[in-house]
Amino acid sequence: RKEVEQDPGPFNVPEGATVAFNCTYSNSASQSFFWYRQDCRKEPKLLMSVYSSGNEDGRFTAQLNRASQYISLLIRDSKLSDSATYLCVVNGPGGYNKLIFGAGTRLAVHP
Amino acid sequence: GAVVSQHPSRVICKSGTSVKIECRSLDFQATTMFWYRQFPKKSLMLMATSNEGSKATYEQGVEKDKFLINHASLTLSTLTVTSAHPEDSSFYICSAATWRESTEQFFGPGTRLTVL
Repeated sequence: RKEVEQDPGPFNVPEGATVAFNCTYSNSASQSFFWYRQDCRKEPKLLMSVYSSGNEDGRFTAQLNRASQYISLLIRDSKLSDSATYLCVVNGPGGYNKLIFGAGTRLAVHP
Repeated sequence: GAVVSQHPSRVICKSGTSVKIECRSLDFQATTMFWYRQFPKKSLMLMATSNEGSKATYEQGVEKDKFLINHASLTLSTLTVTSAHPEDSSFYICSAATWRESTEQFFGPGTRLTVL
């Protein structure tokens, strides 16, 4: 089983749509959870951290279910500029500073 | 926010040559730097963790004699791919962190290596 699993997509949605991404992780001891965004041939950029109580940043909402080892990201009112690959990231065994990346879910928003 | 640079951004070399990639934290001192590799349509894979002034810690399956890491100062780490082969062609990304304020890692723009 992969340490962090994501649906690779692609998700093709029209502008204005709401889209949800899911992620599962295998290490029950993980304490830090993140969503990163990666544009084609670029480095990943932190989108948001994910907290146990769930958190929202504008159009983006992240949820964490520790019991199920499941993380989600909801994007409302999709924009063309949201087109990218979204990476689910958790800290791995060996320390809180070691990050384990999922392979990413690709989102394509069309007019 | 914190800025991390990498040089070169792209390199094409012949098989058997060595390639050095630099990672610099421009506006902060990085106690720890990380080196990742990403193959097309795959996830970033951590290669090694580097703390200033000490030997790097390599992940399982990463050859330390092939991927030489030097972290001589709090703002500079280098990765040297020795005797590069076509299968080493990949996107190499570094990140830097200072654990005093947060656990966030700041990523460099990456170096695309193509070995002919």
